[in-house]
Amino acid sequence: GAGVSQSPRYKVAKRGQDVALRCDPISGHVSLFWYQQALGQGPEFLTYFQNEAQLDKSGLPSDRFFAERPEGSVSTLKIQRTQQEDSAVYLCASSPRNTGELFFGEGSRLTVL
Amino acid sequence: AQTVTQSQPEMSVQEAETVTLSCTYDTSESDYYLFWYKQPPSRQMILVIRQEAYKQQNATENRFSVNFQKAAKSFSLKISDSQLGDAAMYFCAYRTYNNNDMRFGAGTRLTVKP
Repeated sequence: GAGVSQSPRYKVAKRGQDVALRCDPISGHVSLFWYQQALGQGPEFLTYFQNEAQLDKSGLPSDRFFAERPEGSVSTLKIQRTQQEDSAVYLCASSPRNTGELFFGEGSRLTVL
Repeated sequence: AQTVTQSQPEMSVQEAETVTLSCTYDTSESDYYLFWYKQPPSRQMILVIRQEAYKQQNATENRFSVNFQKAAKSFSLKISDSQLGDAAMYFCAYRTYNNNDMRFGAGTRLTVKP
């Protein structure tokens, strides 16, 4: 596709439910990032993939958060046993090799009730 | 750890006038990228302008230009001839050549008055 695609755009979950957020990066982009953006704040780094390898997951806030990119293309961010503090917009971004710029998707807004 | 600071939570400018958004950052690296991203209410982050630290010349993209002061670790964005469509959140961001993540400031909300 022409840009980074994320789904669903909006997700409402009851506390304790598991959710899965999908990211389809720009074709050929090696690097893929997940960010969490709280209302009125800047994006906070969660995790980074280079191809299928998860090279940095230092930003994941707890072991309830899990990300994968098994074939080096589509990525899924999974949140288990959601809590209200998980409510945020989750942004996915991709980047070609050896450039600094990130290309962002429109984000998935998660609301945990 | 690298940090990015935007000290202006909100800014306002009259249409057709010029506004400058401030950004400072903290790093011990010598090679890195700096960016300004725009995030309209639709939420998608869009690159406005980028600067590589080794380049002394300030980047310019049409009405957008930066004032990059490497020694002071300052990277401000100037928007000339402001338009209503410039209204958005603006984020300053930093990324080293070797680190994997891009660090963002807290953002500046720009309002453009007609």
